[in-house]
Parts: sequence; structure tokens; C-alpha cells
Amino acid sequence: DSGVTQTPKHLITATGQRVTLRCSPRSGDLSVYWYQQSLDQGLQFLIQYYNGEERAKGNILERFSAQQFPDLHSELNLSSLELGDSALYFCASSVSLVPGETQYFGPGTRLLVL
Amino acid sequence: GQNIDQPTEMTATEGAIVQINCTYQTSGFNGLFWYQQHAGEAPTFLSYNVLDGLEEKGRFSSFLSRSKGYSYLLLKELQMKDSASYLCAVLTGTASKLTFGTGTRLQVML
Repeated sequence: DSGVTQTPKHLITATGQRVTLRCSPRSGDLSVYWYQQSLDQGLQFLIQYYNGEERAKGNILERFSAQQFPDLHSELNLSSLELGDSALYFCASSVSLVPGETQYFGPGTRLLVL
Repeated sequence: GQNIDQPTEMTATEGAIVQINCTYQTSGFNGLFWYQQHAGEAPTFLSYNVLDGLEEKGRFSSFLSRSKGYSYLLLKELQMKDSASYLCAVLTGTASKLTFGTGTRLQVML
């Protein structure tokens, strides 16, 4: 158990819908990262927040957005869902922005878009 | 852009040694991580290399050559539970951005 929690564990929805994935980082961690893992693409970095501020963006679609709240939990919002958005979505956290700090991953949310 | 290459699949025998290679081409290199991921589960941290050389941690060791853009993960005394995907990830930039390779699926056989 990494100490990072994610809800829900599984989510089934239809195309065109909107969902919110939630992540609580490890106690004391200020940095949160979101990743998407699909079968054909491996683990893809989406976005990073540090202490409430966006710090880095990866290959995140405009239909996706995220935020980190004052209590440091984070939410990833996925809208106008398409079949291709079906994937495992992981959240990870680390203490700060120091390069080389380990990112600890949550158990993931498995999203299935029908 | 970043480019990270790993073999897609490897098989090895229980008790043996296996070396999983990773080559990369990146800018702003800040180190290289290895993660283990069992199917459907979260990646778990194995090692981090930022300087050239070998880092040993129990049955697992990781090597880095920055000049060659090359790393390997060495697993000794393989056990069945080592059957998993092994992800090479390069850290770049000041915001701790991790770029992952597609992973190497290792199957340990009796």
C-alpha cells in the first residue's frame, strides 16, 4: 500500500458523458501527478500539480482538466468521453519537486467507456 | 521529444539472472527510474539512477550510462513473483516530469 488513494476503483460510463476521478496523496506529499495507461500506449503523463498550482502538462486532451484543492487532494475531470478514453488512470504523489524524488502510485481507476 | 526503448517481452527461468535494457534519447535529463508493475496494479518503485554506475539493492541492481543513453535492470535469483512488467522512466526538466517506456513484460518460468 503506497498511501495514495484513488476513487472510484472502477467506472463504467457511456460516450459523451463526463466523469470525475479523485486522488488523495500520501500524507505530507505536496505534488500530485496524473497518468493514463492504455493497452497500446503504456503509461502517459497527463498533468502535475504542486501545492495547488499546475506545474507541468503532458499529453492531456483539452476535454480533460484537473485541479488540486487546498487539502491537497486532486480531481481529474474527463468530459465528452470517447471509446478511446477507456484506460487505467493513475495518480501518483511525491513530497516536493526535487528531481529524483520517488513518485508513489495509487491503485488506479479503471475507466470503461461504452 | 523523448524516446525510450525497451524490449517488449522477455522470458527467464526461476533462479536465473535476467537483464532488461533501456535506451533513451532525451533533453534535460535528471535521472532514470525503474518501476515494477503487476498486471492491473499500480507501478511500484524499484530504483533511481542519476549518476553513472551500478546501484545494488538486494536481488535487483540498476546501471546507468549517461553518455550512452543506456540503462539496465538486473534481476538475480529470479522468483515466480518477479513475473511482471518492468517500466523504465526518464526524469526530465525542473518539474519532475517522468516519461515512461512501454515496459518489458517478464515471464518467469519453472
